[in-house]
Amino acid sequence: GAVVSQHPSRVICKSGTSVKIECRSLDFQATTMFWYRQFPKQSLMLMATSNEGSKATYEQGVEKDKFLINHASLTLSTLTVTSAHPEDSSFYICSARVRVGGASDTQYFGPGTRLTVL
Amino acid sequence: AQSVAQPEDQVNVAEGNPLTVKCTYSVSGNPYLFWYVQYPNRGLQFLLKYITGDNLVKGSYGFEAEFNKSQTSFHLKKPSALVSDSALYFCAISGNTPLVFGKGTRLSVIA
Repeated sequence: GAVVSQHPSRVICKSGTSVKIECRSLDFQATTMFWYRQFPKQSLMLMATSNEGSKATYEQGVEKDKFLINHASLTLSTLTVTSAHPEDSSFYICSARVRVGGASDTQYFGPGTRLTVL
Repeated sequence: AQSVAQPEDQVNVAEGNPLTVKCTYSVSGNPYLFWYVQYPNRGLQFLLKYITGDNLVKGSYGFEAEFNKSQTSFHLKKPSALVSDSALYFCAISGNTPLVFGKGTRLSVIA
């Protein structure tokens, strides 16, 4: 099956610093990538959708200036949490899909990144 | 708007017994329905999906799901549970939007 990787798997940073998380599709080209956030014992909350070469579309309530998303190639998307604060601590999961608008296509998920902001 | 509901937070089953994890959906139009499994501190693994055709969908690790249009359900099933099946299971739906997930059901298989 399709493989999606994320790096780093775990990061601890000080309040006010920025953290970059990478998401790569290893064996397929992902025209669309998604970023989710998951709180303990809760479901996944979609943060944004990014199509390769276009600006990301953010869900309501997600600050686009705080969570910078770049999808510069068909195999790489990055999420940068700028000026991180303790309330940004969470489990961030990326997902990739082959086609733009391919609603019946399977989304493949990365292993997640645990962010802890001190 | 499309949505899925997983009515059970927790399902407990003895090893070797059949298991069912319930999911109901709401959508205008044809649904695309998915099941994913999540192990602790890991991302989601795809199990199976229903797009069209046969109502019984077979997936990974011996799991299957039955699409029932009249009951708007897509329950996940396995004939014989394993302890290693213990995990968090998510039902999801897509249409004009990215995947929308249910709240998840924690499955515990007891030896």
